[in-house]
Amino acid sequence: AAGVIQSPRHLIKEKRETATLKCYPIPRHDTVYWYQQGPGQDPQFLISFYEKMQSDKGSIPDRFSAQQFSDYHSELNMSSLELGDSALYFCASSPGGAIRETQYFGPGTRLLVL
Amino acid sequence: GQQLNQSPQSMFIQEGEDVSMNCTSSSIFNTWLWYKQDPGEGPVLLIALYKAGELTSNGRLTAQFGITRKDSFLNISASIPSDVGIYFCAGPLIIQGAQKLVFGQGTRLTINP
Repeated sequence: AAGVIQSPRHLIKEKRETATLKCYPIPRHDTVYWYQQGPGQDPQFLISFYEKMQSDKGSIPDRFSAQQFSDYHSELNMSSLELGDSALYFCASSPGGAIRETQYFGPGTRLLVL
Repeated sequence: GQQLNQSPQSMFIQEGEDVSMNCTSSSIFNTWLWYKQDPGEGPVLLIALYKAGELTSNGRLTAQFGITRKDSFLNISASIPSDVGIYFCAGPLIIQGAQKLVFGQGTRLTINP
């Protein structure tokens, strides 16, 4: 079965640089979520999109922005990177209907800021 | 603060033993999810629970949604080496007007051969 695809899987950036993470949800899933996970932590919700519109916002820094495109893929744009942004970033998608709250996670992007 | 309290935080067992972990909350959930995460990988959905009292199995895994919708347990029977990893409970909550998935602290399972 198709899963959530994320790219790149690994990314190394310098402080103050920008990064763009991409997410391709499971086909026919209408909602995309972004999470940040630090070492030894549980995933923290950043932002979500439903049918290409921003749905909910969590603890996403102002330096980060995201959008969902017409083909439902989503991009997380991160600017003025800081050392503390080093983390695993996950995208998840969920289907519509009665089980819309069931989220399926991608493999993640490991971001290292030097 | 942590919305879901998960215990135990770590378990060290022998291969072949059964495992039990649970999550509790002061909030009511409509959906309860159990995930397994390997190091550096994304959480993999194991079991999803939607109805109070629901008992669901997935192979050697069994999970139940508490009747009050405030707790759940996950059991793993006859553990094998590939069960090693971190197990998270999770559920959707509306916090400060935003719906998000909240997670327990995780249970780290280690299996001694």
